[in-house]
Amino acid sequence: EDQVTQSPEALRLQEGESSSLNCSYTVSGLRGLFWYRQDPGKGPEFLFTLYSAGEEKEKERLKATLTKKESFLHITAPKPEDSATYLCAVRSNFGNEKLTFGTGTRLTIIP
Amino acid sequence: KAGVTQTPRYLIKTRGQQVTLSCSPISGHRSVSWYQQTPGQGLQFLFEYFSETQRNKGNFPGRFSGRQFSNSRSEMNVSTLELGDSALYLCASSPGATDTQYFGPGTRLTVL
Repeated sequence: EDQVTQSPEALRLQEGESSSLNCSYTVSGLRGLFWYRQDPGKGPEFLFTLYSAGEEKEKERLKATLTKKESFLHITAPKPEDSATYLCAVRSNFGNEKLTFGTGTRLTIIP
Repeated sequence: KAGVTQTPRYLIKTRGQQVTLSCSPISGHRSVSWYQQTPGQGLQFLFEYFSETQRNKGNFPGRFSGRQFSNSRSEMNVSTLELGDSALYLCASSPGATDTQYFGPGTRLTVL
């Protein structure tokens, strides 16, 4: 069965203090790894899709990277508006190909 | 392009009642998935529809059901509501069955 583990569960950073969020996964053949951002009481907002080890994608202060066992979401010089829960999900090439989500990292940026 | 819309946004029901939630996908998207999100369990997959056919189903009891119409709009139904069904129900659409999913704002269901 596909598994996704995100760490840390919660992270508090000062504004401008860069850091990384981790997503470790176990899947029988990776079709895609997805990062989402979710604000309280709202639906997840799509950030990135990564398909193969070595792939990297960037958007503003965020950069996502992928290896064969984990993905990192790097946040450079974060601002208070980056505060949110960041979710990672994987889709397998086999079985029913459903999305499996991790429980997320709750990020708080302190001004 | 308009995003995924879900109605109603908020709903309060009592135990034993049933409820129907609606989801309109992004124009041109043929796949719709439903998820239940609770603080303790995170995002749990309910089911996925593609071209009016249920493609995948999660590990939820038969009280949870869904369907998709020819215009790709989808509904999910929960019968005989229990207190534990209180959650944020999220709908996501994608162009094809295995593409990136885009989420709606969710329906907050409270069961009293």
